[in-house]
Amino acid sequence: QVQLVQSGSELKKPGASVKVSCKASGYTFTSYAMNWVRQAPGQGLEWMGWINTNTGNPTYAQGFTGRFVFSLDTSVSTAYLQISSLKAEDTAVYYCARGVDAFDIWGQGTMVTVSS
Amino acid sequence: EIVLTQSPDFQSVTPKEKVTITCRASQSIGSSLHWYQQKPDQSPKLLIKYASQSFSGVPSRFSGSGSGTDFTLTINSLEAEDAATYYCHQSSSLPQTFGQGTKVEIK
Repeated sequence: QVQLVQSGSELKKPGASVKVSCKASGYTFTSYAMNWVRQAPGQGLEWMGWINTNTGNPTYAQGFTGRFVFSLDTSVSTAYLQISSLKAEDTAVYYCARGVDAFDIWGQGTMVTVSS
Repeated sequence: EIVLTQSPDFQSVTPKEKVTITCRASQSIGSSLHWYQQKPDQSPKLLIKYASQSFSGVPSRFSGSGSGTDFTLTINSLEAEDAATYYCHQSSSLPQTFGQGTKVEIK
């Protein structure tokens, strides 16, 4: 079936980096855009940006430039989110979600905890 | 940036009651408005796309309406399994944005 499976929870120290993966299956990976959405503990959903799975061109929302990088490995139908120089305020669940307009398929989420 | 404002923030409802959640956009977004349901410790699920189109597999008690700046999600005859937080989302212009969420509790 169509699904997005994300990598497991991460515990990182401030200043470290993390790379979250999102593996697609059940559909043609390059036929749909991939979005990244953040949800801080007890908070709402925040769109981080998206990546064109055909060209690899990323678009970042304000507030997610510089330390955040979206990338792809189309050979394994996987999208990645890398966050560098982690801060405590990066603690959140990160979701990948398929779609250009409505996000019809979501990953299960990856909890990233930043703590010393 | 387009701001989406949902009301109410919280609603406590008895089963079989009708629930109405509104989402107001800070500028016109046509019909590029989508609704999601998120249950605790789960990822969001698409309910309604393009303001009024039901997504595949979604129970018929969920419906959406509106265009421009004012939108509504209606749950007819609420069931216990509908306890969740509901979010609207606009894809009309970048950055895409979400409403703050409406939590629906079952009395």
